[in-house]
Amino acid sequence: NAGVTQTPKFQVLKTGQSMTLQCAQDMNHEYMSWYRQDPGMGLRLIHYSVGAGITDQGEVPNGYNVSRSTTEDFPLRLLSAAPSQTSVYFCASSAGSEQYFGPGTRLTVT
Amino acid sequence: AQSVTQPDIHITVSEGASLELRCNYSYGATPYLFWYVQSPGQGLQLLLKYFSGDTLVQGIKGFEAEFKRSQSSFNLRKPSVHWSDAAEYFCAVGARGGADGLTFGKGTHLIIQP
Repeated sequence: NAGVTQTPKFQVLKTGQSMTLQCAQDMNHEYMSWYRQDPGMGLRLIHYSVGAGITDQGEVPNGYNVSRSTTEDFPLRLLSAAPSQTSVYFCASSAGSEQYFGPGTRLTVT
Repeated sequence: AQSVTQPDIHITVSEGASLELRCNYSYGATPYLFWYVQSPGQGLQLLLKYFSGDTLVQGIKGFEAEFKRSQSSFNLRKPSVHWSDAAEYFCAVGARGGADGLTFGKGTHLIIQP
């Protein structure tokens, strides 16, 4: 099992550009989440999904979209990147007992 | 709304000394509680978790944590730290093991003095 995979590992965007951060898991987990990590802030929940076709907002959803068309994939879309979205992004999946985290994507918006 | 407070931003401990990292939570129902560790530039590794039962839980790398409902606390302990324990530690709370996401504390940065 690869577990939770995220691509890309690093990305630099210009303000206003759009992009999709990919997240995939091969553990057949029902639940998936996206977090952002900023210095001194811990991890904050952006969006989560409790199953294919079902998503909901977390603590900091503005500027991000998600969809969950399959159990395996949970992409995070930045519609119009802003410098405030410079962060490290973590995807996680869960079967209901603990979350398994991916290695993260470091995004810089200039 | 649920929340997690880690009162200590930084803690410095001598190698071989004991360690306690504090975590207080606010949660409306029976919480699922977690401690994660993150080394520089790395992802998050689960140290231990608590759902129910024995309030003293054992984790990996010699860590343990005690759930105290009356104090809304879930403090992490280790009897003797090693230089390799230097890292960022996060406490988190959620429902159903994080099915609808976890709420994290802001973290405690652990420094080990030789």
